[in-house]
Amino acid sequence: SQKIEQNSEALNIQEGKTATLTCNYTNYSPAYLQWYRQDPGRGPVFLLLIRENEKEKRKERLKVTFDTTLKQSLFHITASQPADSATYLCALATNNAGNMLTFGGGTRLMVKP
Amino acid sequence: DAGVIQSPRHEVTEMGQEVTLRCKPISGHDYLFWYRQTMMRGLELLIYFNNNVPIDDSGMPEDRFSAKMPNASFSTLKIQPSEPRDSAVYFCASSPRHTGELFFGEGSRLTVL
Repeated sequence: SQKIEQNSEALNIQEGKTATLTCNYTNYSPAYLQWYRQDPGRGPVFLLLIRENEKEKRKERLKVTFDTTLKQSLFHITASQPADSATYLCALATNNAGNMLTFGGGTRLMVKP
Repeated sequence: DAGVIQSPRHEVTEMGQEVTLRCKPISGHDYLFWYRQTMMRGLELLIYFNNNVPIDDSGMPEDRFSAKMPNASFSTLKIQPSEPRDSAVYFCASSPRHTGELFFGEGSRLTVL
């Protein structure tokens, strides 16, 4: 079965720096991969979706890369702000139909002023 | 749109009692998902519906759990009888299309004493 790994340790960075979070998976490459943000006591919020034929995708200060050879996605937040502090989850489909999302354990990001 | 609406937000009950969690998806979304989140296991997919029909319930932990979707605007997740190990945050999410992003509710935090 597909296993999704995210760094369970919190990532602490200084405001203004670039945060880079990693998502690794073990088996077949999914058709697409998604990233979500979750704040304490709230539901996850969708951020970006990247397809297997896309190497990179950007949205404002966010950038996602998808390397099917390495079986890895990187999530970057440039010019980070304290308001970016949250847990970030990656998710990929694990069924043939492509609509059953399995989530990684998430990485907590702390941006210090 | 008000987003995905879940109730109750918090539920405290005693072991052996029946628990019913409710979800109203975003209007027009064809897919509805129930997830459970715990510190130990992260976000786990329990069951999902397409056009009110259950498609995959392989994540439902045992027969004590059941889910229904009687119409396009309402779904329930029932646990009977509840056990302390069922304590978790239960999320409902809806999606407008196949392989689309998920829109999560704020969750129902269940504590079984």
